Amino acid sequence: AQKVTQAQTEISVVEKEDVTLDCVYETRDTTYYLFWYKQPPSGELVFLIRRNSFDEQNEISGRYSWNFQKSTSSFNFTITASQVVDSAVYFCALSGGGGATNKLIFGTGTLLAVQP
Amino acid sequence: DAGVIQSPRHEVTEMGQEVTLRCKPISGHNSLFWYRQTMMRGLELLIYFNNNVPIDDSGMPEDRFSAKMPNASFSTLKIQPSEPRDSAVYFCASSHRRGGSLNEKLFFGSGTQLSVL
Repeated sequence: AQKVTQAQTEISVVEKEDVTLDCVYETRDTTYYLFWYKQPPSGELVFLIRRNSFDEQNEISGRYSWNFQKSTSSFNFTITASQVVDSAVYFCALSGGGGATNKLIFGTGTLLAVQP
Repeated sequence: DAGVIQSPRHEVTEMGQEVTLRCKPISGHNSLFWYRQTMMRGLELLIYFNNNVPIDDSGMPEDRFSAKMPNASFSTLKIQPSEPRDSAVYFCASSHRRGGSLNEKLFFGSGTQLSVL
């Protein structure tokens, strides 16, 4: 069975602080994909990043960075110098590598509140 | 470019009434997904279609729920009869699927906030 755990329900930081959102996953697939989505107050989910299980290189995009570690089954997301506009619910998600019936499974989300 | 379009944005209805949610996927996308979001259960996949054919409806809660995709540009999710526990935000998403695995990013609509009184 596949599972995504986001243990942090809510995080509150002050603007300009760095913050890391944790994501731990479980899967028996050898090929799989990991995602992060952002859900701002407007409600629409926005894709942030996709990684496949064979690519453990960390990725940086502006103030965002992702740390993928297969050894600990984690795919953590760090926002550097947080801003109020980063306030949102962030979802980690997992999909397996094969089969037409494969599903994209979401974690329960982490609500990030960035205070000015 | 237009994104995924859902209607209505908000729906308030009384228990027992039929509810129909609508979705127009992004043009050219061949996969469409219906998700439900609640505080208790988070984001749940209800059903998804590939090339207008339902592939997996195991997430549909019960027979009161049904979904159709008569063509590549339109899908409906119907609840009949509706119950208060169906109150949630229902999201439609689309993607362009290549091959058999779900590894593409999904594009989500703005959701329909359903309240069943």
